[in-house]
Amino acid sequence: EPEVTQTPSHQVTQMGQEVILRCVPISNHLYFYWYRQILGQKVEFLVSFYNNEISEKSEIFDDQFSVERPDGSNFTLKIRSTKLEDSAMYFCASTGYTDTQYFGPGTRLTVL
Amino acid sequence: GENVEQHPSTLSVQEGDSAVIKCTYSDSASNYFPWYKQELGKGPQLIIDIRSNVGEKKDQRIAVTLNKTAKHFSLHITETQPEDSAVYFCAASTYTDKLIFGTGTRLQVFP
Repeated sequence: EPEVTQTPSHQVTQMGQEVILRCVPISNHLYFYWYRQILGQKVEFLVSFYNNEISEKSEIFDDQFSVERPDGSNFTLKIRSTKLEDSAMYFCASTGYTDTQYFGPGTRLTVL
Repeated sequence: GENVEQHPSTLSVQEGDSAVIKCTYSDSASNYFPWYKQELGKGPQLIIDIRSNVGEKKDQRIAVTLNKTAKHFSLHITETQPEDSAVYFCAASTYTDKLIFGTGTRLQVFP
């Protein structure tokens, strides 16, 4: 069964450093999303991406964040200058022509 | 703004009993309501979903009901088993829009 994959599973970085989180959505999907989940809290929407551009972004997704689909398979989330409060699980999700979003296993980002 | 409230935050049941989790949404344009199960250290896994043109949907031991007038939807798990123990999240969205998640319910099923 096709699934969303994410790398790395865990990323540790120093405050102020740049990180890139990678996702490979399900191959025929068209809509891509990033969500984050701070430990013990609910899943929060960050950004949606369709047709090579951002469809919607939340207040969390400020100028420090960017997304890219550099090729036909990868979907990346970049945080330019990480802050302590960026520590969270980051989930990628994708969907095709339906509204069902399939989530990846997540990347745990720890900012020291 | 858009919001989804979820209750209870924790739920403990004996194996074989039923469990019910309730959610309320604020955006009347929402038309898609999925339920996700999240096990420790893993991503949310879709377990069942319902669309606004349907009032109830069942899949084996799991059922979801939707009351659009009241903006309520609920997850019902019957004959609970220890492997049902996890955090369950409800969510609401409009077609391919972002999912707005509830705050989660930690379900513990005791043998």
